[in-house]
Amino acid sequence: DAGITQSPRHKVTETGTPVTLRCHQTENHRYMYWYRQDPGHGLRLIHYSYGVKDTDKGEVSDGYSVSRSKTEDFLLTLESATSSQTSVYFCAIRGTSGGAAYNEQFFGPGTRLTVL
Amino acid sequence: TQLLEQSPQFLSIQEGENLTVYCNSSSVFSSLQWYRQEPGEGPVLLVTVVTGGEVKKLKRLTFQFGDARKDSSLHITAAQPGDTGLYLCAGVGNAGKSTFGDGTTLTVKP
Repeated sequence: DAGITQSPRHKVTETGTPVTLRCHQTENHRYMYWYRQDPGHGLRLIHYSYGVKDTDKGEVSDGYSVSRSKTEDFLLTLESATSSQTSVYFCAIRGTSGGAAYNEQFFGPGTRLTVL
Repeated sequence: TQLLEQSPQFLSIQEGENLTVYCNSSSVFSSLQWYRQEPGEGPVLLVTVVTGGEVKKLKRLTFQFGDARKDSSLHITAAQPGDTGLYLCAGVGNAGKSTFGDGTTLTVKP
């Protein structure tokens, strides 16, 4: 158990509204990730963080922003939600075995977001 | 962009049968992971393979990394209903980022 929680677990919102998803970890891991999972697309990286206030874009970052003001919290914000952002969002941390060469991911339970 | 193709996309078998899932790419990876995901939960790491030709066994699951570190397979012997789930492979590139395959949905019927 990597001690990762996500909130909320489920959210329904309307197009054009801002949405923030929270990922919280309890084990002081440096690397944190946000993925989205859609049928037929597997897991796709949105943004990741390699330390407090250090973040970078993934392959599907358009329409998303992130912030990390504390080691334990990584926030994902949809500034103006669209229906195409309906998805299941997973937060992950990088495990300590093997570092970057292994990049073993430990995932939270996910947030199911529906944008109407 | 590094791509990983998994096959088959769906697999439905009877309890006790054997099966193999494949993960293929044209790219070389520094390592490759296999994950299993159950409905409503996040993926759970099963194994990491690092060396070309490496074989790892986890009870009834056998994982193999291709000699050129471009592909991998997962073989399950005598499948059980508890093996049901989505199996994902993920290759790690030079920048330390993971590329996930689209997954294989396995259903094992009692």
